[in-house]
Amino acid sequence: GAGVSQSPSNKVTEKGKDVELRCDPISGHTALYWYRQSLGQGLEFLIYFQGNSAPDKSGLPSDRFSAERTGGSVSTLTIQRTQQEDSAVYLCASSFQRGETDTQYFGPGTRLTVL
Amino acid sequence: AQSVSQHNHHVILSEAASLELGCNYSYGGTVNLFWYVQYPGQHLQLLLKYFSGDPLVKGIKGFEAEFIKSKFSFNLRKPSVQWSDTAEYFCAVNRMYSGGGADGLTFGKGTHLIIQP
Repeated sequence: GAGVSQSPSNKVTEKGKDVELRCDPISGHTALYWYRQSLGQGLEFLIYFQGNSAPDKSGLPSDRFSAERTGGSVSTLTIQRTQQEDSAVYLCASSFQRGETDTQYFGPGTRLTVL
Repeated sequence: AQSVSQHNHHVILSEAASLELGCNYSYGGTVNLFWYVQYPGQHLQLLLKYFSGDPLVKGIKGFEAEFIKSKFSFNLRKPSVQWSDTAEYFCAVNRMYSGGGADGLTFGKGTHLIIQP
């Protein structure tokens, strides 16, 4: 079956513009996660969805970042008024979350460059 | 807050050498432990995981890891590395919610492993 997919694979934008990043999780996976990978900070957790609700938004770095998930499937991460420090690879992961065990499967990421 | 430390940021080995990458975590509760690998130009892939039971877990491509609870460690090992093991290796931890499900992963900074032929 298909893995986690993300689009676009690359995004170049100008400082101050808004961007939307999309994630399609593995079919049937109820949990969805967003992470950010940058040279300076490594891999950082941003937000977690269980179904369409986000019980943990603790990793969002500022109020310019938001995310939503609809239909328990696709999720979009929105960054408003982008800054150069937002440049990073944004990764999405999904998991089945049944029982006591859980494994997150990662997508290929969206490389965001803010000029 | 939980944290993960990977002691070696860059490791260079010759083929057939043995490998051990250190990982320590800081968290007092029950955790799940993972090693992920990122080959050049590819996305993160799961190498192995520990949830409970036998503390010695075996993963793909001949890798294994041992969970030592008293040391808060989850070191990755491979007896004989190959050139194709050149990659970035990440240790990660999360915890289960009491009602089911798990929170986001906390990753170490990664270890860049280079295997020389």
